[in-house]
Amino acid sequence: ELKVEQNPLFLSMQEGKNYTIYCNYSTTSDRLYWYRQDPGKSLESLFVLLSNGAVKQEGRLMASLDTKARLSTLHITAAVHDLSATYFCAVDIGGSEKLVFGKGTKLTVNP
Amino acid sequence: DAGITQSPRHKVTETGTPVTLRCHQTENHRYMYWYRQDPGHGLRLIHYSYGVKDTDKGEVSDGYSVSRSKTEDFLLTLESATSSQTSVYFCAIRPGVLKPQHFGDGTRLSIL
Repeated sequence: ELKVEQNPLFLSMQEGKNYTIYCNYSTTSDRLYWYRQDPGKSLESLFVLLSNGAVKQEGRLMASLDTKARLSTLHITAAVHDLSATYFCAVDIGGSEKLVFGKGTKLTVNP
Repeated sequence: DAGITQSPRHKVTETGTPVTLRCHQTENHRYMYWYRQDPGHGLRLIHYSYGVKDTDKGEVSDGYSVSRSKTEDFLLTLESATSSQTSVYFCAIRPGVLKPQHFGDGTRLSIL
């Protein structure tokens, strides 16, 4: 059974600071997705990582995938308040088109 | 917008009553999914469909059934609702191979 663990689950940081969210998973997969969810809203796709060593960047967010370590990271650079949201990673179960989600990381960026 | 509509958006009902949630898509995508979201659990897959009349269970399928009689509609039914099924339910579609799933706006279901 595939397990996906995110940490931290809660993250409070100051504007301008850098931080990393980690996503570990328990079995082999080379497809990993990052989503963002604002309170009371739906999920929005951020990144699709499809191979070992994949790196994607959008604005102040950068995601990477290490399939050998079964680890993905979401790095936040110079955080701003607008990045406050819950971030989820989701791992494809061996190409089955089914996703297993982590529990999410609730990020709060304080002025 | 991938053209996903969930209905109803909110529902309050009583324990033991049947409930059906509808997910409608306008773009003929093959794969459709139902998830529930609960605090502390992230999203968990209930059932999914890979074509008309082709469905399979997810990790939390007990107490739920689904039907897909046409490409655009995927129905989730709680035959006899229980309070533990109070949750936010999301429908999703997969727009293509290796594309991220796209989610509807969710249905907030409260079972009293």
